[in-house]
Amino acid sequence: QVQLQESGPGLVKPSETLSLTCTVSGYSISSGYYWGWIRQPPGKGLEWIGSIYHSGSTYYNPSLKSRVSISVDTSKNHFSLKLSSVTAADTAVYYCARDNLGLLGYWGQGTLVTVSS
Amino acid sequence: DIQMTQSPSSLSASVGDRVTITCRASQSISSFLNWYQQKAGKAPKLLIYAASSLQSGVPSRFSGSGSGTDFTLTISSLQPEDFATYYCQQSYSNTRTFGQGTKVEIK
Repeated sequence: QVQLQESGPGLVKPSETLSLTCTVSGYSISSGYYWGWIRQPPGKGLEWIGSIYHSGSTYYNPSLKSRVSISVDTSKNHFSLKLSSVTAADTAVYYCARDNLGLLGYWGQGTLVTVSS
Repeated sequence: DIQMTQSPSSLSASVGDRVTITCRASQSISSFLNWYQQKAGKAPKLLIYAASSLQSGVPSRFSGSGSGTDFTLTISSLQPEDFATYYCQQSYSNTRTFGQGTKVEIK
């Protein structure tokens, strides 16, 4: 059974960099698929942030592309998100998911990140 | 970017009702359209992929249709556990986009 678990700080200061990791169990990232990040501000809808292939190829949301970096570490079977220069608008629940050509079939439980001083 | 627009944004319905949610893409996306259900405090769950294919384990009262720019999610007989928010999402483009969501509430 594929499982994903997000981890990282729940509080980030404005202008700093948000960093999250998604650890995958039950499946080896190096075996294939894209792996993605999605966020959801409180009370709002879903926003796709970006996805990374096991080889390192990435696709990003154009509206976030200048601030986003997604990387993968196949030796640790995890992938990571960095979002720089955060503001209160980046406060959201951040989800990781397995991205099968756009089908997001497996999701983590989500982690709330609040941007506040 | 491909924009996805859902309607309505919310609806009230009773148990047993037939419910229809629509999703429109800003350009043709063939059948690269997926539907998700999200309950409060939970991660979204994939219901339908490729416009009309039911994800394994999803009840048959859920169905999807459409191609090109116009798509529909139908719940044939609404059950208590179906009250949730539903999102469409296109996978035609490498940059995925979601609709704004449709909240299905109890009437």
